[in-house]
Amino acid sequence: GNSVTQMEGPVTLSEEAFLTINCTYTATGYPSLFWYVQYPGEGLQLLLKATKADDKGSNKGFEATYRKETTSFHLEKGSVQVSDSAVYFCALKHYGGSQGNLIFGKGTKLSVKP
Amino acid sequence: GAGVSQSPSNKVTEKGKDVELRCDPISGHTALYWYRQRLGQGLEFLIYFQGNSAPDKSGLPSDRFSAERTGESVSTLTIQRTQQEDSAVYLCASSPFRQAQETQYFGPGTRLLVL
Repeated sequence: GNSVTQMEGPVTLSEEAFLTINCTYTATGYPSLFWYVQYPGEGLQLLLKATKADDKGSNKGFEATYRKETTSFHLEKGSVQVSDSAVYFCALKHYGGSQGNLIFGKGTKLSVKP
Repeated sequence: GAGVSQSPSNKVTEKGKDVELRCDPISGHTALYWYRQRLGQGLEFLIYFQGNSAPDKSGLPSDRFSAERTGESVSTLTIQRTQQEDSAVYLCASSPFRQAQETQYFGPGTRLLVL
């Protein structure tokens, strides 16, 4: 079946450090891929997405590239800020049948220290 | 415009009681989803509605869980005879279409605690 695996946290970084959160997926066909973020005390919100192979999603300095050959969608940011502290979820979505829902990874908690 | 809203924001109940959770999707969104997020775990899909089609209930964990939606408006998720393992944050999301590339917009969630 379809699944998403992301690196376990928590991840603790100093401000301005480079961030990578690994995400790999298992899916039939061509899913769309997403990163959602949950800031402390807030609801889940979309960070970025990519809908086909080799697409790069980007937002707020974060980037992720849809790599079909490695079934990966790793999240990166060149210089993290304290305000990036949150839980990050990788997810995939299929169209059609009973697979219209998002399938999430378990989340990775990021803490950025000043 | 207004986002997805959910009520109540918090609910504490006793084991064995029934609870009803409400979701107001973004106006015009035909697809509506319910998810559950248990402590320290990712989101689990529960059920989704698309317009007037029969809902996909494949994620409901037991027959104690049910949900309804009238047309393209409000949805209610009902949990009967609650158990302690039902304690979680219940999230509702909506999207304009049920196509793969459409973003889902999440509500703030209802935090349920079963004592």
